[in-house]
Amino acid sequence: AQKVTQAQTEISVVEKEDVTLDCVYETRDTTYYLFWYKQPPSGELVFLIRRNSFDEQNEISGRYSWNFQKSTSSFNFTITASQVVDSAVYFCALSEDQYGGSQGNLIFGKGTKLSVKP
Amino acid sequence: DTGVSQNPRHKITKRGQNVTFRCDPISEHNRLYWYRQTLGQGPEFLTYFQNEAQLEKSRLLSDRFSAERPKGSFSTLEIQRTEQGDSAMYLCASSLDFGGQTDTQYFGPGTRLTVL
Repeated sequence: AQKVTQAQTEISVVEKEDVTLDCVYETRDTTYYLFWYKQPPSGELVFLIRRNSFDEQNEISGRYSWNFQKSTSSFNFTITASQVVDSAVYFCALSEDQYGGSQGNLIFGKGTKLSVKP
Repeated sequence: DTGVSQNPRHKITKRGQNVTFRCDPISEHNRLYWYRQTLGQGPEFLTYFQNEAQLEKSRLLSDRFSAERPKGSFSTLEIQRTEQGDSAMYLCASSLDFGGQTDTQYFGPGTRLTVL
């Protein structure tokens, strides 16, 4: 069975601190996709990143970076120099490969609520 | 290029009433998904369409729920005889599946349903 675990329910940091959000996944598939979405108070899920299981390169995008480690089934997300606007709920999600690269539905973790205080 | 839109944004109804939500996907996207999100939880998959065909339904989608995508463009999700447990945010997402490769799912703002 597929599962995504985000063990941190809530994290509170002070602006300019670095923060890492943990994500651990379970799947029996050898081909799968991992995602991070941000859900600000307005409620709309905003796509941040997608990774396929064959691409273990870490990625950096501005203040955001992602660390994908298949050996520990983890896909962690770090925000460097956090800002108040980063306050949101962040979801990690997993999708299996249906057939030759076609994605299935997303399986989400329960989310981590990040509060960045000024 | 507009994103995914959903209407209405909020719906309050009394138990036992029927409700219908609409989702308009990103125009060139051939896949459309419905998810449900309750407070403090991540979204849970309900069903998805490829063009007008409904290809998968979750066990969460009871007989009171029905979804359609008649012309392969917009989709509707109807809940009959609503129950208080149906209160949730209903999210729609769309993506492009081309030659067996599926692009990222992009979400709409959701419809928040409150059943009194």
